[in-house]
Amino acid sequence: RKEVEQDPGPFNVPEGATVAFNCTYSNSASQSFFWYRQDCRKEPKLLMSVYSSGNEDGRFTAQLNRASQYISLLIRDSKLSDSATYLCAVRTSGTYKYIFGTGTRLKVLA
Amino acid sequence: DVKVTQSSRYLVKRTGEKVFLECVQDMDHENMFWYRQDPGLGLRLIYFSYDVKMKEKGDIPEGYSVSREKKERFSLILESASTNQTSMYLCASSLKGNGYTFGSGTRLTVV
Repeated sequence: RKEVEQDPGPFNVPEGATVAFNCTYSNSASQSFFWYRQDCRKEPKLLMSVYSSGNEDGRFTAQLNRASQYISLLIRDSKLSDSATYLCAVRTSGTYKYIFGTGTRLKVLA
Repeated sequence: DVKVTQSSRYLVKRTGEKVFLECVQDMDHENMFWYRQDPGLGLRLIYFSYDVKMKEKGDIPEGYSVSREKKERFSLILESASTNQTSMYLCASSLKGNGYTFGSGTRLTVV
């Protein structure tokens, strides 16, 4: 089993839709979690961190479920510009390195 | 904003050449990382460094080495380039356990 897993998609959704992605992790000692956005042929860019209590940034909501060992990203009112690949990143306590999922591709359709 | 600069956006090298990929960050971050990204395999950690002159192997260090002589600079070296090292190489830096800032990447083709 991979340490960090994501559904590769693509998720094809119409503009204005709500879409959610999950990312599962296998190490229960995982401590820090982030979501990144990566546009085609570009570098990943930090989208948001994921806190235990859940956090929101505009149309984006990130949540952590420690019991089931997954994090989620919810995008409301999808825009064409949200089309990208979304990567999750997980860090285990005692290290500063992150393990990345392979990403979930989102296509928002007009 | 932190800036992570990679010296080349595109490189084409011949099999057997020694290749240097340079990465410089401007925010005094202790941690620096080299990843490669391949379709279907995602980001895989090659080497990382938590301090000057310090280096640690990541998940796929074979065929690579690194150098960190100054805090702001982390170099990746392909000792003898091979075609299976054709990939997108991404450098990243971070402050302690915070999220990464990535450079814009170097797309290396080995022919």
